[in-house]
Amino acid sequence: GQQLNQSPQSMFIQEGEDVSMNCTSSSIFNTWLWYKQDPGEGPVLLIALYKAGELTSNGRLTAQFGITRKDSFLNISASIPSDVGIYFCAGPASNNDMRFGAGTRLTVKP
Amino acid sequence: NAGVTQTPKFRVLKTGQSMTLLCAQDMNHEYMYWYRQDPGMGLRLIHYSVGEGTTAKGEVPDGYNVSRLKKQNFLLGLESAAPSQTSVYFCASTNGNYGYTFGSGTRLTVV
Repeated sequence: GQQLNQSPQSMFIQEGEDVSMNCTSSSIFNTWLWYKQDPGEGPVLLIALYKAGELTSNGRLTAQFGITRKDSFLNISASIPSDVGIYFCAGPASNNDMRFGAGTRLTVKP
Repeated sequence: NAGVTQTPKFRVLKTGQSMTLLCAQDMNHEYMYWYRQDPGMGLRLIHYSVGEGTTAKGEVPDGYNVSRLKKQNFLLGLESAAPSQTSVYFCASTNGNYGYTFGSGTRLTVV
């Protein structure tokens, strides 16, 4: 099946720093999504990308759909404590199946 | 607007016991999904449903059964729980787009 590899697995940053994380796939995706999971909650959709090369922003978050369609990047600018959580990339596989990466756990130190 | 509601939130089972996890959504969504989340492995699809009365297997269906008798409810059953089924279970729904709405999860421990 299609595998999504996220890196880094975890990040420890200081409040105010910028954050970059990425996701790569062994096969092509036509859509890339980024979700955030707060502690004790389910994932919530942050950004959806539908076209290769697309760059989309949502507040301090910016995500890009890689040209090869096998990767995607998420950047968070000027991090704040509420950015803490697990960030997942995801993409639709066959059979109405959304595949998720293993996640990047972000810790923000005040 | 409750969205997706999962019950129970926590449960401890003994090996061999059975239980049913309930997922209810009030958004009239057609598609519903059950995922399990394990450390370092992200979310993996167990079973899903594309409409009332339909179910299909996902990536890790063994040891689980599901039913979708009513559009708003999607039940996940464990007939004979095993320690390997210790996990956090998430239900999600959508009306066909990729913006899934997730519940807040059920944390299950099998001892």
